[in-house]
Amino acid sequence: KNQVEQSPQSLIILEGKNCTLQCNYTVSPFSNLRWYKQDTGRGPVSLTIMTFSENTKSNGRYTATLDADTKQSSLHITASQLSDSASYICVVSDRGSTLGRLYFGRGTQLTVWP
Amino acid sequence: EADIYQTPRYLVIGTGKKITLECSQTMGHDKMYWYQQDPGMELHLIHYSYGVNSTEKGDLSSESTVSRIRTEHFPLTLESARPSHTSQYLCASSEFDRGGGTEAFFGQGTRLTVV
Repeated sequence: KNQVEQSPQSLIILEGKNCTLQCNYTVSPFSNLRWYKQDTGRGPVSLTIMTFSENTKSNGRYTATLDADTKQSSLHITASQLSDSASYICVVSDRGSTLGRLYFGRGTQLTVWP
Repeated sequence: EADIYQTPRYLVIGTGKKITLECSQTMGHDKMYWYQQDPGMELHLIHYSYGVNSTEKGDLSSESTVSRIRTEHFPLTLESARPSHTSQYLCASSEFDRGGGTEAFFGQGTRLTVV
């Protein structure tokens, strides 16, 4: 069964600190993995996308890693800001169907305190 | 920012009412999707479309229906709303990409409350 598991479920950090969010998946055949940021009551916005051949990608203070062998990904946030408070969702796409199905994790709820 | 729009953003209605949630995109994408998301939970696919006159049910059973008469428009309708329909509904669109994966752009969502 294709699944995406994220940890931790929630995380509280102080402003300026770094944090790392984890994503494990069993989706096969794998196409790409995305990290989305979802503010409360809004739609998800893409942060990074990685294909099978990529193992790291940065977008400003966000750095994502991918280990396709162990089927694990992480999202590292440096120098956190209050505006980073949101749900971070790991989304894995397969290439085994015409739909290019997206499999969503439940997200990690990050709260940044001043 | 993605050009995909949902209206209304928030809706509170009484049980038994018929409602239509609107979704429009100006990117010319063939694929469109409706997802349902409860607080703290993952997104569940309820409907999708490959193009005009194409609609399919998703993974999560839903009493809603959809139509795709125009490429840019993918409305979702509930004929008789119930409290169990209370949720956030997210619309998304994507184009076919050569890499075999799918880039999805999301609307802002509609928060539906049925009382």
